[in-house]
Amino acid sequence: QKEVEQDPGPLSVPEGAIVSLNCTYSNSAFQYFMWYRQYSRKGPELLMYTYSSGNKEDGRFTAQVDKSSKYISLFIRDSQPSDSATYLCAMSRPQGAQKLVFGQGTRLTINP
Amino acid sequence: DTEVTQTPKHLVMGMTNKKSLKCEQHMGHRAMYWYKQKAKKPPELMFVYSYEKLSINESVPSRFSPECPNSSLLNLHLHALQPEDSALYLCASSQGKTGQETQYFGPGTRLLVL
Repeated sequence: QKEVEQDPGPLSVPEGAIVSLNCTYSNSAFQYFMWYRQYSRKGPELLMYTYSSGNKEDGRFTAQVDKSSKYISLFIRDSQPSDSATYLCAMSRPQGAQKLVFGQGTRLTINP
Repeated sequence: DTEVTQTPKHLVMGMTNKKSLKCEQHMGHRAMYWYKQKAKKPPELMFVYSYEKLSINESVPSRFSPECPNSSLLNLHLHALQPEDSALYLCASSQGKTGQETQYFGPGTRLLVL
């Protein structure tokens, strides 16, 4: 069993829809949680960073962490075609925080 | 500014060539990373430098040789690579402080080994 599970998709939704992307993890030692967006043939871009349970909002993006269920989510409101990309969740432990453990990535397409 | 730059953007090399990838950041970060990413896979960690010292080597073959000349620069020297080493090579940096290891990635160098 992988430490971090992420549905690879692909996920295709119409423009304006609310998108929900999810990751589950098995190791309760993970304390830091990140979401990256990666466009085709580009490097990953940090979208959200959280270290506590609850919600964190930034514009159209909301990151949610539920440590009791070992489950994290990224919500995208009013999705745009420019949001079409691969979304990677990543997490790390306080000891060894430099070693990120990535999910497999979800390929998302927003259709105009 | 959260920019990490990488050169070159693309590189084609033969199996007998020697080449180098370069990475630079001016965010004052003290940890720098090399990752390898194959198509439709997440990045795989190769090396970590903390305060210009190699702190993590993920059992990478010796044909990859990292170098950190100063706190802003990171190189990856390539020699006698194999076709299976073709991939996107990503550099990243982070503050280097416990609990502040959010990593910022560069655009990558797309490497093709013939």
